[in-house]
Amino acid sequence: AQTVTQSQPEMSVQEAETVTLSCTYDTSESDYYLFWYKQPPSRQMILVIRQEAYKQQNATENRFSVNFQKAAKSFSLKISDSQLGDAAMYFCAYRSAFGDMRFGAGTRLTVKP
Amino acid sequence: ETGVTQTPRHLVMGMTNKKSLKCEQHLGHNAMYWYKQSAKKPLELMFVYSLEERVENNSVPSRFSPECPNSSHLFLHLHTLQPEDSALYLCASSQVDRLNTEAFFGQGTRLTVV
Repeated sequence: AQTVTQSQPEMSVQEAETVTLSCTYDTSESDYYLFWYKQPPSRQMILVIRQEAYKQQNATENRFSVNFQKAAKSFSLKISDSQLGDAAMYFCAYRSAFGDMRFGAGTRLTVKP
Repeated sequence: ETGVTQTPRHLVMGMTNKKSLKCEQHLGHNAMYWYKQSAKKPLELMFVYSLEERVENNSVPSRFSPECPNSSHLFLHLHTLQPEDSALYLCASSQVDRLNTEAFFGQGTRLTVV
């Protein structure tokens, strides 16, 4: 079974600074997708960014970008120019060819003004 | 609003009660999921229904009983729960044959077992 590991239970960043959240996963599959979700206090899970495993180019969505290292099975999220609204739980997720998604334990991000 | 609606938003039930959680998606997806989120554990996948058939049951206790009458609706029937079952229960849906699409989540049901 695939496992997703987020080794940082909590992270803190100063407003306007950059922070990187780490994620590693374990799989024997070659075709899969990776996602970062954000869960603010409202509890609504929101997709932040996605990465196809077959693409070498790292995905970017405005201030959010990933560092995808397939050989190392690493998928970190970088948030640039952090804003107060970025404060939330961030979950890394792995989606297999069978469609079900596995999540990491989450990282709670605090943004300091 | 993500197109996935869960009801109720909050539920308090006694250990001898029987209740049901409801999830409805308006996205035309063909897979639906139940996740449990508690303070002590990460998001735990409980059940997966793909094309209305259960494809995975991660050794969830029988006091949780899922039902998927059609591709748009998913229920989680609860009976004789324990206090440790108190958690946030999240429903999600996705298009199983389109891997590049994400799962869409409802806002969850906050369950408290007393």
